[in-house]
Amino acid sequence: DQQVKQNSPSLSVQEGRISILNCDYTNSMFDYFLWYKKYPAEGPTFLISISSIKDKNEDGRFTVFLNKSAKHLSLHIVPSQPGDSAVYFCAASVNNDMRFGAGTRLTVKP
Amino acid sequence: DTGVSQDPRHKITKRGQNVTFRCDPISEHNRLYWYRQTLGQGPEFLTYFQNEAQLEKSRLLSDRFSAERPKGSFSTLEIQRTEQGDSAMYLCASSLGRQAVYGYTFGSGTRLTVV
Repeated sequence: DQQVKQNSPSLSVQEGRISILNCDYTNSMFDYFLWYKKYPAEGPTFLISISSIKDKNEDGRFTVFLNKSAKHLSLHIVPSQPGDSAVYFCAASVNNDMRFGAGTRLTVKP
Repeated sequence: DTGVSQDPRHKITKRGQNVTFRCDPISEHNRLYWYRQTLGQGPEFLTYFQNEAQLEKSRLLSDRFSAERPKGSFSTLEIQRTEQGDSAMYLCASSLGRQAVYGYTFGSGTRLTVV
């Protein structure tokens, strides 16, 4: 049962432009949503999170938006930098359960 | 704080052999998680410990898999009679409490290849 879905396996953007990564979920009980970033040969690294009672959380160049009615969240990276090139995983959590999407590979071209 | 350490980084084994992986979490973290990641997929939950108690196991964790966390410190994941379908990246993560806000800290993983 895939409760967290990232439908875009890859995304390519130009340096300096906005990157928008999308994620959909099915379980309305999730109360926290997180984004992780993963470089090759490393484990996922926590990036940013949002509580289900909020609709936006911002941390520097990274902003996560949550649309509960649509069960959709997105991660905006502005401006995108070549060092942002990585696989981004969306995750959703309730109690002790954290589910991950399949990931989106972001490539930022110089 | 050296982060979460996993050993070995890579393991190649013949089908039918047993393998054991080790995870050393961040020392003050009381929770430890094991995840499995296959190509093109996100991490899938296997099991988690709070201190030395194994509190939850996924149905993905067949009876060939066993995990321990003696004394609530490091953890081991053993796979008996390995099958080719066990080939995956095995990730360990730790946290202090649920950590829904700041997420888990993951290790670099152990890549298992069953030939």
